[in-house]
This record gives sequence, structure tokens and C-alpha cells, in this order.
Amino acid sequence: GENVGLHLPTLSVQEGDNSIINCAYSNSASDYFIWYKQESGKGPQFIIDIRSNMDKRQGQRVTVLLNKTVKHLSLQIAATQPGDSAVYFCATSAYGNKLVFGAGTILRVKS
Amino acid sequence: GAGVSQSPSNKVTEKGKDVELRCDPISGHTALYWYRQRLGQGLEFLIYFQGNSAPDKSGLPSDRFSAERTGESVSTLTIQRTQQEDSAVYLCASSLIAGSGNTIYFGEGSWLTVV
Repeated sequence: GENVGLHLPTLSVQEGDNSIINCAYSNSASDYFIWYKQESGKGPQFIIDIRSNMDKRQGQRVTVLLNKTVKHLSLQIAATQPGDSAVYFCATSAYGNKLVFGAGTILRVKS
Repeated sequence: GAGVSQSPSNKVTEKGKDVELRCDPISGHTALYWYRQRLGQGLEFLIYFQGNSAPDKSGLPSDRFSAERTGESVSTLTIQRTQQEDSAVYLCASSLIAGSGNTIYFGEGSWLTVV
């Protein structure tokens, strides 16, 4: 079946450093990829997305990289801040079907 | 509305009782999704609706779970004869249409505790 997983369940970074969260997916038909941030007690919040015809997309302090050859997705957060502490999920979909979520990575920012 | 609205935000129920969870999607969004999230875990797909098409029910874990949606508006998720294993956050999401590139927005969830 379809599987989306994360390499690191917990990531601790120093405030001001850059963070990189990784995600592997198994469905080669996946054509849309999203990163969500979930703070404690809240629903997932959209961060950034990318389609399969791109390999990089930048937002404000965030960059998503897509490597379709190895089915790998990463989220880079520049100058990580305490407010970035949360659980980060990658999710994929194929042909407009349901989003499949990874297990999540906890990002802890140390001041 | 401005965002996806879910109710109740918290529900404690006795084992064996039925519960109904409600979702109001963002106005104009034709696609609506339900996910379940157990404590400390990822999101598990349950069901999604796209307009008047037949819903994708492939994620419903048992026949105790059902969902309805009238047109492109409110949806209710019903869990019959609740079990302790049903304790979780039930998240609703909506998007303009189902399809790649259409951002999916989540509500804050309904926290269900079965005692």
C-alpha cells in the first residue's frame, strides 16, 4: 500500500540555525506534495506545497525540495525561531486523490 | 465562513454510545475530507467528498463509522457504538476542488474521548 514516512522523528535545533526535515514517499504516481505544521491542540496548518513538475519552491523562510528520482521531499526552515516548534507533516496525493500523511517530525527549537 | 469549523470541539462519551461530529467547510469549497489523528500519531484518512460524486470511503475503519454530506455544505461523521479505541482527534478539511495543487485547509478538530 501507499506509505509516506519521515527519517527523523524528533529534531532539535538551536534558535537561529537552519532546520531540515526530511520525508520519503513510496507512490511514484504522487504528483502533489504539501508540508503542514501542527502546534499542540490545533489542526494542521498549511506551510508550502510543490507539484511534481518542480524540484524547488521557496516561501517566506521556508523552502521545499523535491527529488522524484529517489522519492524524497524536504522542508528547510531558515533562521529557526521558537515559534517554529511544532510537529511537521509531509503529505502527498496522486491524481487529485486523498492526501496521505507521513508520521510527523517533532521540531524543538532551543533558545 | 473564514475557515473550516468543527463541532463539538471536545466530546466525552461512554463506551457504546453513538456520537456525531459536524464540519462546516470553507464557503465555496466542493471537496471535504475527514481524518483521524490518535495522540502523538499522524493523520489517518477516513473519507472524502467531492461535489456530487460518490464519496471515497476507503479509509473508514469499520461499519460503525459513516459520514454524510448534503450538497457542498455541512458534513457529519457518525460513530456508532463507540469503543475506547475510537478516542482521537477527528479533523475535517476542505479544498476548492479535489485535485493536485488545491490547498487543503484543516479545522481545529473534534477531540473525542470514549470512557
